[in-house]
Amino acid sequence: QVQLQESGPGLVKVSETLSLTCAVSGYSISSGYYWGWIRQPPGKGLEWIGVQSLYYSGNTYYNPSLKSRVTISIDRSQDQVSLKLNSVTAADTAVYYCARRDIAKRFDLWGQGTLVTVSS
Amino acid sequence: QTVVTQEPSFSVSPGGTVTLTCGLTSGSVSTSYYPSWYQQTPGQAPRTLMYSTNTRSSGVPDRFSGSILGNKAALTITGAQADDESDYYCVLYMRGGISVFGGGTKLTVL
Repeated sequence: QVQLQESGPGLVKVSETLSLTCAVSGYSISSGYYWGWIRQPPGKGLEWIGVQSLYYSGNTYYNPSLKSRVTISIDRSQDQVSLKLNSVTAADTAVYYCARRDIAKRFDLWGQGTLVTVSS
Repeated sequence: QTVVTQEPSFSVSPGGTVTLTCGLTSGSVSTSYYPSWYQQTPGQAPRTLMYSTNTRSSGVPDRFSGSILGNKAALTITGAQADDESDYYCVLYMRGGISVFGGGTKLTVL
C-alpha cells in the first residue's frame, strides 16, 4: 500500500523559507508518476503548487503565481519529495498536502497534510 | 490568467439530484482538460471521485457521475445522501503541465 507522509516545521517566520518533506512508502518514486504539492489556507480552497517526475525526464511544472518562489525536488535514494517556498508571508499559511498525479492527470493519492503557520 | 469556476454553494434534498459544474472564465471545458473531481470533508484530505471527465475512482458509488454539459465539466449526484454533504473541487489540466483547482462548491444536503 502506497502512502505519503508530510513532515517539517509547523511554524515559519515571515520572509524566511518554508521547507517540507514528503516520504513515499510502498513505491519507488523514480518508477513513475508526478509527485508534488497542493496547499489549502485555513477556511479556503485548494491551490496546486507544482509537481516533478524523475520517470518523465525530470519534468517539473509550477503554479505560475508561485513559480518565482518555489522549488520542488525529488530524492530518489530516500523516496522523498521536498518543497521549498521562499520569502513567505502570512498568506502562505496553509495545510500543505503531498500528492501524486497520474497519467490521467488526477491526484490519485494524498498525504494527510501538515499545517504550516507563517508568523512574525 | 484563466480561472476555473465553480458554484460557491449548492443545496440538495436527501434523495434528490444535483449537478455541480466546472467552467473557465475564458473558453469551454472539454475532455482535453482531463476534468477531475474531489470530495473533502472538514479536517480531511481530499478524496478523488472522478477523473478523465467520467471515470469513477475505485470505491466511488455509482450515484456519482461525470460529464461535459455544454461548455463545462459536470459532476452529478443522483439520490443524494446525508454523507454527501462536503466540499467538492474540480481540477482542470492546462497546457504546460499545469493543474488548476476551481474554488470549490460547498454542498449542503437538507
